Amino acid sequence: KAGVTQTPRYLIKTRGQQVTLSCSPISGHRSVSWYQQTPGQGLQFLFEYFSETQRNKGNFPGRFSGRQFSNSRSEMNVSTLELGDSALYLCASSPFRSTDTQYFGPGTRLTVL
Amino acid sequence: QQQVKQSPQSLIVQKGGISIINCAYENTAFDYFPWYQQFPGKGPALLIAIRPDVSEKKEGRFTISFNKSAKQFSLHIMDSQPGDSATYFCAASTANQAGTALIFGKGTTLSVSS
Repeated sequence: KAGVTQTPRYLIKTRGQQVTLSCSPISGHRSVSWYQQTPGQGLQFLFEYFSETQRNKGNFPGRFSGRQFSNSRSEMNVSTLELGDSALYLCASSPFRSTDTQYFGPGTRLTVL
Repeated sequence: QQQVKQSPQSLIVQKGGISIINCAYENTAFDYFPWYQQFPGKGPALLIAIRPDVSEKKEGRFTISFNKSAKQFSLHIMDSQPGDSATYFCAASTANQAGTALIFGKGTTLSVSS
């Protein structure tokens, strides 16, 4: 089976712009979770989608949003980018629950200038 | 109550030695405790996981020890190898509740010197 894929792998944006990141889960996996990874805060949970519905949300401002499509592919969007949004954004898929074994993608490295 | 505290932040071990990483939690509802390993440029990968009905789980050179009363769990890497050099994350969650998230520790960077 192909692993979790994320596109793009690297992205450079400027403050105030918005960005959309994409994640394709492992075939057959219905749960997709997003995490933000930074050196200072580590891995922080953003949100989880299951069957096109947001099932759980972490403690991030409303500028961070996401969605899931009927084929389980997911996108996350960050609007009005701030310098502090620079991070590695990781997507993870699991069969049903975010607490099943999660399989992570390689991440999208976002740099905000 | 949702935090998972991980220590040490970094660890240097000689080849063949034992690496020990510790985690502590407060939320007694947590019932699933995985460890993830991350190499540079890669996403984290599940290494080993334990549920609180056992006090120890071993897979090859990797062992999780779990102390429910102390709300602590640890990862032991026996016969550490240079290829084990990576960042390790502990995590916790309530596994039987759909819609709950994994809460990660802040990670331990392990360097195994040859």
